[in-house]
Amino acid sequence: NAGVTQTPKFQVLKTGQSMTLQCAQDMNHNSMYWYRQDPGMGLRLIYYSASEGTTDKGEVPNGYNVSRLNKREFSLRLESAAPSQTSVYFCASSEASGTGSTEQFFGPGTRLTVL
Amino acid sequence: GESVGLHLPTLSVQEGDNSIINCAYSNSASDYFIWYKQESGKGPQFIIDIRSNMDKRQGQRVTVLLNKTVKHLSLQIAATQPGDSAVYFCAEIPPNTNAGKSTFGDGTTLTVKP
Repeated sequence: NAGVTQTPKFQVLKTGQSMTLQCAQDMNHNSMYWYRQDPGMGLRLIYYSASEGTTDKGEVPNGYNVSRLNKREFSLRLESAAPSQTSVYFCASSEASGTGSTEQFFGPGTRLTVL
Repeated sequence: GESVGLHLPTLSVQEGDNSIINCAYSNSASDYFIWYKQESGKGPQFIIDIRSNMDKRQGQRVTVLLNKTVKHLSLQIAATQPGDSAVYFCAEIPPNTNAGKSTFGDGTTLTVKP
């Protein structure tokens, strides 16, 4: 099993450009998450999806949109990139459904720079 | 919103020594806690978890202690090795949280000196 995969690994954008970060998991997990991690900081939740067909805002959703394409895939879109969105983006998944709690499995991250 | 915080941002230990990483959490209702390890350039990885009905849980070379009275978690690493050098995050999950959403602390950087 590949676990959680993310593409691309690196990306440089100019201010105002758009892009989509892709994430897929092969563990048949119900829940998926997008986080950003700024240098020397912890993880901040952008959006999450408790199950296929549902998405909800996290702590820092402004400037982002998400799509839970199917149970495996959860994409994050930046419609008009800003330098403040320069960060490392992590996708994660977990078995958690409803109000259950389990560990999260993380992808390798996408390092995004916005000039 | 409530957040998890860490007492010390960095910790340096000698190889072979034991390490203790601390974490203070804010939500007294949180009932599930996880420690993650993040190596340079990688995503966080699960180390060990503990539920609020336990005070202590042991894994391979790691032990997590939970003190609900003072809302404090600690991660103990026995016989610390160079491969343990990483950033360690604690995460708390309150009960009845949709999709098991976690709140992460800022992390403690552990450096192991040979």
